Amino acid sequence: NAGVMQNPRHLVRRRGQEARLRCSPMKGHSHVYWYRQLPEEGLKFMVYLQKENIIDESGMPKERFSAEFPKEGPSILRIQQVVRGDSAAYFCASSKTNQGSNEKLFFGSGTQLSVL
Amino acid sequence: GQNIDQPTEMTATEGAIVQINCTYQTSGFNGLFWYQQHAGEAPTFLSYNVLDGLEEKGRFSSFLSRSKGYSYLLLKELQMKDSASYLCAVSDSNYQLIWGAGTKLIIKP
Repeated sequence: NAGVMQNPRHLVRRRGQEARLRCSPMKGHSHVYWYRQLPEEGLKFMVYLQKENIIDESGMPKERFSAEFPKEGPSILRIQQVVRGDSAAYFCASSKTNQGSNEKLFFGSGTQLSVL
Repeated sequence: GQNIDQPTEMTATEGAIVQINCTYQTSGFNGLFWYQQHAGEAPTFLSYNVLDGLEEKGRFSSFLSRSKGYSYLLLKELQMKDSASYLCAVSDSNYQLIWGAGTKLIIKP
């Protein structure tokens, strides 16, 4: 499957636990974007990464949230000490070149995080 | 602030035509995208407009007027599989995508 792969598809956590969301971009893509979507709402940008670099994290809360895209392996969105308000669908998207080229994004199927 | 407005929900009949509007107010403009999102699935790219006018791609067309801050997505010969949410997104002066909340399109037989 050459598409953007996200796992897990569904993740259930209790308040205070950690959530780790994984994203493998399309083959040949080195730019990864994370979005959050609440029901009936649009996609909210969180963070934009290239391999080993965070380019833009302006949409990501300063506390409890972190993201990485290591040289080897998938991009990880990590949420520490989850709260009920973190429950949402988290989508990852990738592109071959950077956002400045207005290249279309390819999205993964998302991870639905539910915090009990 | 930056704002993208789309109708929340629309209903249309199989075989008919529907127009989904999107108005935007953003800091700068570097193009407008339309994506389709079926329930529980990933958004998929439909169209990109950066110049004024109509772009036609099969049953789907997208129109842009930059002076009016307005776009529409036109779907012809509607099929049941077109039932989905349609997301309008604008690339702002920093090339960051600002997303509308989406329009849920319900197709009835």
